Amino acid sequence: AQTVTQSQPEMSVQEAETVTLSCTYDTSESDYYLFWYKQPPSRQMILVIRQEAYKQQNATENRFSVNFQKAAKSFSLKISDSQLGDAAMYFCAYSPYSGNTPLVFGKGTRLSVIA
Amino acid sequence: GAGVSQSPRYKVAKRGQDVALRCDPISGHVSLFWYQQALGQGPEFLTYFQNEAQLDKSGLPSDRFFAERPEGSVSTLKIQRTQQEDSAVYLCASSLRGLGNYEQYFGPGTRLTVT
Repeated sequence: AQTVTQSQPEMSVQEAETVTLSCTYDTSESDYYLFWYKQPPSRQMILVIRQEAYKQQNATENRFSVNFQKAAKSFSLKISDSQLGDAAMYFCAYSPYSGNTPLVFGKGTRLSVIA
Repeated sequence: GAGVSQSPRYKVAKRGQDVALRCDPISGHVSLFWYQQALGQGPEFLTYFQNEAQLDKSGLPSDRFFAERPEGSVSTLKIQRTQQEDSAVYLCASSLRGLGNYEQYFGPGTRLTVT
Protein backbone atom coordinates (compact mmCIF):
# COMPACT_ATOMS: atom_id res chain seq x y z
CA ALA A 1 0.00 0.00 0.00
CA GLN A 2 1.13 3.50 -0.74
CA THR A 3 2.03 5.73 2.19
CA VAL A 4 2.87 9.41 2.48
CA THR A 5 4.96 10.77 5.35
CA GLN A 6 5.31 14.36 6.46
CA SER A 7 7.85 14.48 9.25
CA GLN A 8 7.35 18.13 10.25
CA PRO A 9 4.12 18.62 12.22
CA GLU A 10 4.76 22.36 12.49
CA MET A 11 6.95 24.91 10.75
CA SER A 12 7.29 28.66 10.97
CA VAL A 13 8.76 31.26 8.66
CA GLN A 14 9.31 34.98 8.74
CA GLU A 15 7.34 37.01 6.25
CA ALA A 16 9.25 37.41 2.95
CA GLU A 17 11.56 34.49 3.79
CA THR A 18 11.71 31.03 2.22
CA VAL A 19 10.55 27.78 3.81
CA THR A 20 10.71 24.16 2.69
CA LEU A 21 8.20 21.51 3.72
CA SER A 22 9.26 17.87 3.48
CA CYS A 23 7.39 14.86 2.17
CA THR A 24 8.41 11.28 1.48
CA TYR A 25 6.29 8.53 0.02
CA ASP A 26 6.39 4.84 -0.62
CA THR A 27 5.08 3.16 -3.75
CA SER A 28 5.96 0.33 -6.10
CA GLU A 29 4.44 2.14 -9.07
CA SER A 30 6.65 3.77 -11.68
CA ASP A 31 4.09 6.33 -12.82
CA TYR A 32 2.09 8.44 -10.43
CA TYR A 33 1.14 11.98 -9.44
CA LEU A 34 2.16 13.95 -6.39
CA PHE A 35 0.35 16.97 -5.01
CA TRP A 36 0.62 19.66 -2.37
CA TYR A 37 -2.69 20.89 -0.98
CA LYS A 38 -3.23 23.88 1.29
CA GLN A 39 -5.99 23.85 3.90
CA PRO A 40 -6.61 27.19 5.62
CA PRO A 41 -8.72 27.40 8.79
CA SER A 42 -11.85 27.66 6.60
CA ARG A 43 -11.14 23.99 5.71
CA GLN A 44 -11.42 24.38 1.92
CA MET A 45 -8.64 22.24 0.50
CA ILE A 46 -6.88 24.06 -2.35
CA LEU A 47 -4.43 22.53 -4.81
CA VAL A 48 -1.10 24.34 -4.66
CA ILE A 49 1.01 22.37 -7.09
CA ARG A 50 1.26 18.95 -8.73
CA GLN A 51 4.04 16.87 -10.21
CA GLU A 52 3.85 14.03 -12.71
CA ALA A 53 6.37 11.33 -11.85
CA TYR A 54 7.40 10.82 -15.48
CA LYS A 55 8.51 14.45 -15.74
CA GLN A 56 12.04 15.15 -14.61
CA GLN A 57 11.53 18.89 -14.46
CA ASN A 58 10.37 20.18 -11.11
CA ALA A 59 6.97 21.89 -11.13
CA THR A 60 6.69 25.57 -10.26
CA GLU A 61 3.69 27.81 -9.65
CA ASN A 62 4.63 31.41 -8.96
CA ARG A 63 6.18 31.44 -5.44
CA PHE A 64 5.72 27.69 -5.00
CA SER A 65 8.11 25.09 -6.34
CA VAL A 66 8.90 21.47 -5.64
CA ASN A 67 12.06 19.42 -5.38
CA PHE A 68 11.09 16.00 -6.74
CA GLN A 69 13.64 13.25 -6.15
CA LYS A 70 12.12 10.11 -7.66
CA ALA A 71 14.84 7.70 -6.61
CA ALA A 72 14.71 8.94 -3.04
CA LYS A 73 10.88 9.12 -3.14
CA SER A 74 11.04 12.64 -1.84
CA PHE A 75 8.77 15.55 -2.77
CA SER A 76 9.43 18.79 -0.90
CA LEU A 77 7.61 22.10 -1.29
CA LYS A 78 9.47 25.41 -1.29
CA ILE A 79 7.57 28.60 -0.61
CA SER A 80 9.48 31.74 -1.53
CA ASP A 81 8.73 35.28 -0.34
CA SER A 82 6.33 33.92 2.29
CA GLN A 83 3.16 35.90 2.87
CA LEU A 84 0.77 36.02 5.82
CA GLY A 85 -1.85 34.36 3.63
CA ASP A 86 0.37 31.30 3.27
CA ALA A 87 -0.35 30.32 6.87
CA ALA A 88 -2.30 27.04 6.73
CA MET A 89 -2.04 23.27 6.96
CA TYR A 90 -0.16 21.80 4.01
CA PHE A 91 -0.80 18.25 2.90
CA CYS A 92 1.30 16.16 0.58
CA ALA A 93 -0.72 13.65 -1.43
CA TYR A 94 -0.14 10.78 -3.85
CA SER A 95 -2.26 9.33 -6.63
CA PRO A 96 -1.48 6.42 -8.95
CA TYR A 97 -1.15 7.15 -12.66
CA SER A 98 -4.29 5.14 -13.33
CA GLY A 99 -6.25 8.35 -13.28
CA ASN A 100 -9.12 9.55 -11.18
CA THR A 101 -8.26 7.56 -8.14
CA PRO A 102 -8.37 8.33 -4.43
CA LEU A 103 -5.65 10.50 -3.00
CA VAL A 104 -3.41 9.23 -0.20
CA PHE A 105 -2.57 12.09 2.13
CA GLY A 106 0.16 12.68 4.67
CA LYS A 107 -0.68 13.94 8.14
CA GLY A 108 0.10 17.51 7.24
CA THR A 109 2.42 20.32 8.29
CA ARG A 110 1.06 23.42 10.01
CA LEU A 111 2.83 26.49 8.64
CA SER A 112 2.87 29.72 10.61
CA VAL A 113 4.02 32.98 9.03
CA ILE A 114 5.48 35.55 11.38
CA ALA A 115 5.07 39.21 10.50
CA GLY B 1 -22.44 26.77 -8.51
CA ALA B 2 -18.80 27.55 -9.09
CA GLY B 3 -17.42 25.01 -6.65
CA VAL B 4 -18.19 21.91 -4.64
CA SER B 5 -20.74 22.57 -1.92
CA GLN B 6 -21.56 20.50 1.13
CA SER B 7 -24.38 20.66 3.62
CA PRO B 8 -24.76 20.98 6.46
CA ARG B 9 -21.48 22.65 7.38
CA TYR B 10 -21.88 21.52 10.98
CA LYS B 11 -23.85 18.66 12.42
CA VAL B 12 -24.22 17.60 16.04
CA ALA B 13 -25.74 14.19 16.57
CA LYS B 14 -26.44 12.20 19.67
CA ARG B 15 -24.88 8.80 19.81
CA GLY B 16 -27.12 6.33 18.03
CA GLN B 17 -28.74 8.83 15.68
CA ASP B 18 -28.60 8.53 11.90
CA VAL B 19 -27.12 11.39 9.86
CA ALA B 20 -27.06 12.28 6.16
CA LEU B 21 -24.39 14.49 4.64
CA ARG B 22 -24.89 16.02 1.21
CA CYS B 23 -22.38 16.86 -1.51
CA ASP B 24 -23.08 18.91 -4.64
CA PRO B 25 -20.16 18.46 -7.04
CA ILE B 26 -19.11 20.85 -9.77
CA SER B 27 -21.51 20.54 -12.69
CA GLY B 28 -20.25 18.05 -15.24
CA HIS B 29 -17.74 16.39 -12.93
CA VAL B 30 -17.91 12.66 -13.40
CA SER B 31 -15.88 11.50 -10.42
CA LEU B 32 -16.84 12.10 -6.80
CA PHE B 33 -14.88 11.17 -3.69
CA TRP B 34 -15.65 11.16 0.02
CA TYR B 35 -12.89 11.52 2.61
CA GLN B 36 -12.91 11.51 6.41
CA GLN B 37 -10.58 13.88 8.23
CA ALA B 38 -10.08 13.31 11.95
CA LEU B 39 -8.83 16.19 14.07
CA GLY B 40 -5.18 16.92 13.38
CA GLN B 41 -4.93 14.29 10.64
CA GLY B 42 -4.87 14.18 6.89
CA PRO B 43 -7.99 13.16 4.96
CA GLU B 44 -8.57 9.45 4.51
CA PHE B 45 -10.42 7.95 1.58
CA LEU B 46 -13.89 6.54 2.17
CA THR B 47 -15.52 5.88 -1.19
CA TYR B 48 -15.50 6.87 -4.87
CA PHE B 49 -18.14 7.22 -7.59
CA GLN B 50 -17.87 7.50 -11.32
CA ASN B 51 -21.23 8.87 -12.41
CA GLU B 52 -23.76 6.83 -10.43
CA ALA B 53 -21.53 3.78 -10.07
CA GLN B 54 -19.76 3.28 -6.76
CA LEU B 55 -16.42 1.94 -7.95
CA ASP B 56 -14.61 1.71 -4.65
CA LYS B 57 -15.94 1.61 -1.11
CA SER B 58 -12.95 0.01 0.51
CA GLY B 59 -12.40 2.95 2.87
CA LEU B 60 -15.80 2.84 4.54
CA PRO B 61 -14.98 1.96 8.17
CA SER B 62 -18.05 -0.13 8.89
CA ASP B 63 -21.39 -1.23 7.48
CA ARG B 64 -22.96 1.71 9.29
CA PHE B 65 -21.56 3.93 6.52
CA PHE B 66 -23.42 4.08 3.24
CA ALA B 67 -23.02 6.39 0.24
CA GLU B 68 -25.07 6.90 -2.88
CA ARG B 69 -25.15 9.03 -6.02
CA PRO B 70 -28.32 7.87 -7.75
CA GLU B 71 -28.36 10.29 -10.68
CA GLY B 72 -24.66 10.79 -11.07
CA SER B 73 -24.56 14.28 -9.58
CA VAL B 74 -25.49 14.93 -5.94
CA SER B 75 -24.16 12.42 -3.44
CA THR B 76 -25.24 11.58 0.08
CA LEU B 77 -23.11 9.95 2.77
CA LYS B 78 -25.25 8.32 5.42
CA ILE B 79 -24.04 7.16 8.80
CA GLN B 80 -26.35 4.96 10.82
CA ARG B 81 -26.29 4.62 14.60
CA THR B 82 -23.52 7.19 14.97
CA GLN B 83 -20.70 6.54 17.42
CA GLN B 84 -18.28 8.97 19.04
CA GLU B 85 -15.46 7.74 16.84
CA ASP B 86 -17.42 8.99 13.81
CA SER B 87 -16.73 12.59 14.90
CA ALA B 88 -14.67 14.12 12.09
CA VAL B 89 -14.82 16.44 9.12
CA TYR B 90 -16.25 14.75 6.04
CA LEU B 91 -14.85 16.13 2.81
CA CYS B 92 -16.27 15.68 -0.65
CA ALA B 93 -14.25 16.20 -3.83
CA SER B 94 -15.10 16.02 -7.51
CA SER B 95 -13.08 15.86 -10.68
CA LEU B 96 -13.47 15.69 -14.44
CA ARG B 97 -12.65 12.41 -16.03
CA GLY B 98 -10.14 12.72 -18.75
CA LEU B 99 -6.58 11.97 -19.67
CA GLY B 100 -4.26 14.32 -17.90
CA ASN B 101 -6.88 15.86 -15.67
CA TYR B 102 -6.26 14.72 -12.15
CA GLU B 103 -7.22 17.68 -10.01
CA GLN B 104 -9.76 16.99 -7.32
CA TYR B 105 -11.75 20.02 -6.22
CA PHE B 106 -12.77 19.91 -2.58
CA GLY B 107 -15.81 21.19 -0.78
CA PRO B 108 -15.64 22.99 2.58
CA GLY B 109 -16.54 19.84 4.48
CA THR B 110 -19.13 18.90 7.09
CA ARG B 111 -17.94 18.81 10.69
CA LEU B 112 -19.78 16.02 12.47
CA THR B 113 -19.74 15.93 16.26
CA VAL B 114 -21.26 12.92 17.99
CA THR B 115 -22.11 13.50 21.65
